[in-house]
Amino acid sequence: TQLLEQSPQFLSIQEGENLTVYCNSSSVFSSLQWYRQEPGEGPVLLVTVVTGGEVKKLKRLTFQFGDARKDSSLHITAAQPGDTGLYLCAGAGGDMRFGAGTRLTVKP
Amino acid sequence: GAVVSQHPSWVICKSGTSVKIECRSLDFQATTMFWYRQFPKQSLMLMATSNEGSKATYEQGVEKDKFLINHASLTLSTLTVTSAHPEDSSFYICSASNGNTEAFFGQGTRLTVV
Repeated sequence: TQLLEQSPQFLSIQEGENLTVYCNSSSVFSSLQWYRQEPGEGPVLLVTVVTGGEVKKLKRLTFQFGDARKDSSLHITAAQPGDTGLYLCAGAGGDMRFGAGTRLTVKP
Repeated sequence: GAVVSQHPSWVICKSGTSVKIECRSLDFQATTMFWYRQFPKQSLMLMATSNEGSKATYEQGVEKDKFLINHASLTLSTLTVTSAHPEDSSFYICSASNGNTEAFFGQGTRLTVV
């Protein structure tokens, strides 16, 4: 079983602030995905990182895969209320297991 | 991204009855499908993994006789909650993988057992 730990579990910030969410594991993953889920809906894939050290940017979101492919981070710049949601990381390694998620609330 | 359709979106059933939830990959062949359960304000809990044409692999603590999973084709998997009880009320989500590194999710099914 490959376990993923996400931190923080809850985060409440003001509009315009920056934040970073972390996803850590003791296992090596062939790839890691970040998803965002809104209430009552299924998770939506944001990005997949594959190469150790890889950095991907999606507008104000920056994703990084650790050099050893055991961890990843999601950084949001100038957060907006529309960024509110549950952010999940998942590692690919035979099955798709999710971290506990980070529930982000961005207050206007 | 690829499209995964889950049906129904919500269902209310009486205690003791069975409910079937369908998960279809619309534009790709899903070699593997995953079923999750999600409680309010919590993350997704993997229930089982199914590969087309073979028996599902259930996670520890998940009753395989209660949560019947069938993956009869490369585009369809079903989850049947048998003899449902109020404690089975939850949000059930499927995802499908085409064998690459990504999985795509259905919209989820909210089950309420009364």
